Amino acid sequence: DTEVTQTPKHLVMGMTNKKSLKCEQHMGHRAMYWYKQKAKKPPELMFVYSYEKLSINESVPSRFSPECPNSSLLNLHLHALQPEDSALYLCASSQTMDRMNTEAFFGQGTRLTVV
Amino acid sequence: DAKTTQPNSMESNEEEPVHLPCNHSTISGTDYIHWYRQLPSQGPEYVIHGLTSNVNNRMASLAIAEDRKSSTLILHRATLRDAAVYYCILTNFGNEKLTFGTGTRLTIIP
Repeated sequence: DTEVTQTPKHLVMGMTNKKSLKCEQHMGHRAMYWYKQKAKKPPELMFVYSYEKLSINESVPSRFSPECPNSSLLNLHLHALQPEDSALYLCASSQTMDRMNTEAFFGQGTRLTVV
Repeated sequence: DAKTTQPNSMESNEEEPVHLPCNHSTISGTDYIHWYRQLPSQGPEYVIHGLTSNVNNRMASLAIAEDRKSSTLILHRATLRDAAVYYCILTNFGNEKLTFGTGTRLTIIP
C-alpha cells in the first residue's frame, strides 16, 4: 500500500465553524507533512511531524492546529478560518525526515472553501 | 536554501522526447536534486531524484551536469498523460523540507 489517504475530499465551512482534515498512511513512514496550495501556485509547506513530534511550523497562524495521534495519522484542526484560507490542503509522508533522499508520497488533497 | 530556476512553460509533441531544464547554480555538494510532477486535480507525485550521477527509472531519466549547476529531466516519449507541472527541488541532509518553486507547466500537443 503506497497511498496517502486524505478525508474529506471537499469541505465547505463557515468562518465560525470548527472542522478537521484527516490524513492516513500505512507505509510505516515516520515523517508527515501538511502543505497548502492556492490555485495556480506551488504547494507551500505548513507543518512537518517527525516521529509524531512537531518538527517544523512554517509560521502558520494558530487557527490551523496540527495533531499527530500516532505514526499513521495526521490531523489538521481548523477554527475561525478566513475566506483567504480557501485552498487545496495536501498531506504527504516520507520514510523519515532524515532521509529525504527518498521519495515523498502525497495524498489527493482536501479542497477547502471558507464561506 | 539553494534555489532552482525553471522555465514557466514548455510544449512538446506527443510521442516525442521532452527535455525539462532546471538551473541550480548555488547547489551545495550534499544537495539532492528531486523532480516531482503534479497532474491536474491531483497531489504531487515523485518522478526521480539524484545526487551526482545520471539516473534512470521507469518514468524518466535525470541528467545532471558535471558541475551540478543544472539538471535535465528527460521524458523519453511523451504522452498526453504527461501533461503536468514539473517541479525541480533541492534537499539537503539537515534541511530535508520539500520546498516547491514555480515549476514548469508542460503541455503535450496531440
